[in-house]
Amino acid sequence: GIQVEQSPPDLILQEGANSTLRCNFSDSVNNLQWFHQNPWGQLINLFYIPSGTKQNGRLSATTVATERYSLLYISSSQTTDSGVYFCAVSTEMYSGGGADGLTFGKGTHLIIQP
Amino acid sequence: DVKVTQSSRYLVKRTGEKVFLECVQDMDHENMFWYRQDPGLGLRLIYFSYDVKMKEKGDIPEGYSVSREKKERFSLILESASTNQTSMYLCASSSPGTDIGKLFFGSGTQLSVL
Repeated sequence: GIQVEQSPPDLILQEGANSTLRCNFSDSVNNLQWFHQNPWGQLINLFYIPSGTKQNGRLSATTVATERYSLLYISSSQTTDSGVYFCAVSTEMYSGGGADGLTFGKGTHLIIQP
Repeated sequence: DVKVTQSSRYLVKRTGEKVFLECVQDMDHENMFWYRQDPGLGLRLIYFSYDVKMKEKGDIPEGYSVSREKKERFSLILESASTNQTSMYLCASSSPGTDIGKLFFGSGTQLSVL
């Protein structure tokens, strides 16, 4: 199956710093999503981004599908940004669109210190 | 907002018990998923369903079964719980639409099998 590698595995930053998280995948994908898991375990969908660039406030993401990687940018970090960031991908599409499950990377554990 | 509700936040069961984990979504999503999350292993797909009464095996279906009798409800069943099934279980849903396959997660059930 497809392999998903995220880097770095751990990242500790001071509040206000910027960061870039990377996701490499081993095959062509038609579905790529970024998630944030907060310290209470809730997974929040940040971006659906199989290609191109999207921005949402201080967060933005870019996927270069032809080179099989995606980047998540966090600017002006806040302590509430702490948690684990997951990249997840899929290569298949069942009828109905997007019905197949995603393969997750192991995540980047981000700690923002005040 | 999409709401995915899992019936229990914490559950303690004994080895050999039959365990039901329930998940309900309120956005009329076609697709529903069960993942488990373990430290160092990330999220792994157990089963998914793209329609009522339809089910597909994910990456680690052994020891589990599922039921989808109604569109909004997807149940995970541990026929005879074992200690290696102690884990965080996460339910998710998605639908074709503007962002095909964008996943929304419930808050998780931490299952301990003693």
